[in-house]
Amino acid sequence: GAGVSQSPRYKVAKRGQDVALRCDPISGHVSLFWYQQALGQGPEFLTYFQNEAQLDKSGLPSDRFFAERPEGSVSTLKIQRTQQEDSAVYLCASSLEVNTEAFFGQGTRLTVV
Amino acid sequence: AQSVTQLDSHVSVSEGTPVLLRCNYSSSYSPSLFWYVQHPNKGLQLLLKYTSAATLVKGINGFEAEFKKSETSFHLTKPSAHMSDAAEYFCAPESGGYNKLIFGAGTRLAVHP
Repeated sequence: GAGVSQSPRYKVAKRGQDVALRCDPISGHVSLFWYQQALGQGPEFLTYFQNEAQLDKSGLPSDRFFAERPEGSVSTLKIQRTQQEDSAVYLCASSLEVNTEAFFGQGTRLTVV
Repeated sequence: AQSVTQLDSHVSVSEGTPVLLRCNYSSSYSPSLFWYVQHPNKGLQLLLKYTSAATLVKGINGFEAEFKKSETSFHLTKPSAHMSDAAEYFCAPESGGYNKLIFGAGTRLAVHP
């Protein structure tokens, strides 16, 4: 595709439910980032992959959050036992090489009720 | 550690007048610095990037920013606002050496006829 694609665009989850958010980066992009953007705030870094290797997961808020990129392309962010404070827009970004421009997807808006 | 402060949460200007969006960062060294724009229901788009070359950086859509190390500032300007410039703007220094971005809280720009 032409850009970073995220699915679903919108997700409503009941508290305690597990969710999986998908990111399809631009083909061939080495770097992949996940960010969390709460309402009215700037995005906050969650985790970083270089190909299939998760090199930085310092931003994951708890052990309920897990991300993977097993083949170095598509990535999934999984949130277990969702809580209301997990409600946010989850943004994925990819870049061709390590220090090149990051292109962002439109995000997945997660609402936990 | 990197941190960033966007000094105004909201800025309102009239169409055709200059725009100034302020950003200060703290760091023990000169980082790479970015400005991103976020239109409603769209992904973040890179406006411009500073990487220790020229201190005055020109970006897309007539925006530019000047890096001032003595003031640890990287303010975004545009000589003449257009209605289409109405959006949320984020300043973001880089951290970690792989374009991990530390976003500010954002400045919402409103442009009035």
